[in-house]
Amino acid sequence: EAGVTQSPRYAVLQEGQAVSFWCDPISGHDTLYWYQQPRDQGPQLLVYFRDEAVIDNSQLPSDRFSAVRPKGTNSTLKIQSAKQGDTATYLCASRQTAEVFFGKGTRLTVV
Amino acid sequence: AQSVTQPDARVTVSEGASLQLRCKYSYFGTPYLFWYVQYPRQGLQLLLKYYPGDPVVQGVNGFEAEFSKSNSSFHLRKASVHWSDWAVYFCAVSPGYQNFYFGKGTSLTVIP
Repeated sequence: EAGVTQSPRYAVLQEGQAVSFWCDPISGHDTLYWYQQPRDQGPQLLVYFRDEAVIDNSQLPSDRFSAVRPKGTNSTLKIQSAKQGDTATYLCASRQTAEVFFGKGTRLTVV
Repeated sequence: AQSVTQPDARVTVSEGASLQLRCKYSYFGTPYLFWYVQYPRQGLQLLLKYYPGDPVVQGVNGFEAEFSKSNSSFHLRKASVHWSDWAVYFCAVSPGYQNFYFGKGTSLTVIP
């Protein structure tokens, strides 16, 4: 089966610019996660959905970050005004039952 | 609050040697525990998972891990390391199998 697909794979921005990340989970997976992974760190949850509903977005910087999953399938994570501290890899993951599957991530560099 | 500590940021072993990567978790109760591996420019791949039951779990590529409630640990082991095991390894805890809390990872280097 196809895995979790993310695009773009890489992005380079100047501070203040906006960027969107797109995730296509595995078909039929109801739960979708967005993680932020700074360099040499473990992934840290930003938000997760079950179908189209946000279950937990407590770690999402709401002033600049937003995430949607309008039809309970694909999802978009947007950074409104990027800062250098947002430099990280953004990972999308999905699951239906036991196992979580991760995409290859989008590596964001903010200069 | 739940958390995971991987005390060794970097580990170097010779090919063919045995390996242990350490993981300590903090969680009130018995959690679900996982080990993931991350190769360069790749997503995380599941090595093995623990659900309450047999404390020793087998994973892919000869990896196994042992859960210890008394020590709050879930160490990863392999009897004989191969050069292809060169990667970053993450331990994770999941209370109630909802969210996942990851450690900072252990970078494994394999010397030929």
